[in-house]
Amino acid sequence: EPEVTQTPSHQVTQMGQEVILRCVPISNHLYFYWYRQILGQKVEFLVSFYNNEISEKSEIFDDQFSVERPDGSNFTLKIRSTKLEDSAMYFCAAGARKDTQYFGPGTRLTVL
Amino acid sequence: GQQLNQSPQSMFIQEGEDVSMNCTSSSIFNTWLWYKQDPGEGPVLLIALYKAGELTSNGRLTAQFGITRKDSFLNISASIPSDVGIYFCAGRSGGGADGLTFGKGTHLIIQP
Repeated sequence: EPEVTQTPSHQVTQMGQEVILRCVPISNHLYFYWYRQILGQKVEFLVSFYNNEISEKSEIFDDQFSVERPDGSNFTLKIRSTKLEDSAMYFCAAGARKDTQYFGPGTRLTVL
Repeated sequence: GQQLNQSPQSMFIQEGEDVSMNCTSSSIFNTWLWYKQDPGEGPVLLIALYKAGELTSNGRLTAQFGITRKDSFLNISASIPSDVGIYFCAGRSGGGADGLTFGKGTHLIIQP
């Protein structure tokens, strides 16, 4: 299976700053997701995206978060005003079907 | 929200031993997935299970989708050093729910 890729691998930002995390799914993938994993904890679902709109979001995905796929390729997660507790690994996942999700290598976000 | 109880939390075994881990839930899932995560990397999909009772193998790995749809197990036979890592179960409840619910992981450590 070809790989989902993410950039950057590590992002350091100041509290209150905006960050954009990027994901490049495989060309035949139709379903896209963002998850986060706080250090030492389990992976948590943030949002799913299909047909250019959000199909489901968790309680974590509040108004500070947004997603888009502007050019039909890159899938981005934006955090408008980062908080210390946003520090985590952020994983993009994608798949050609809903029930099979392939994860990218992650972006480590550090908020200072 | 939904929760998955994954056990054991960690396993210390000798190389060559067989391994068994499981996940249980109080609610029904329509899909069960097993992932392996190495330090600093994204979860890698090992096995996907789509219907109750399904038993699927991937090399030395075997996983089953419980008949009640509330549990799943993963077995690893004849463990080798590269099996070291954290194994996560994940479930998708289906319908309009797209996001995966993850277990807390089983940390597999192989002693020489």
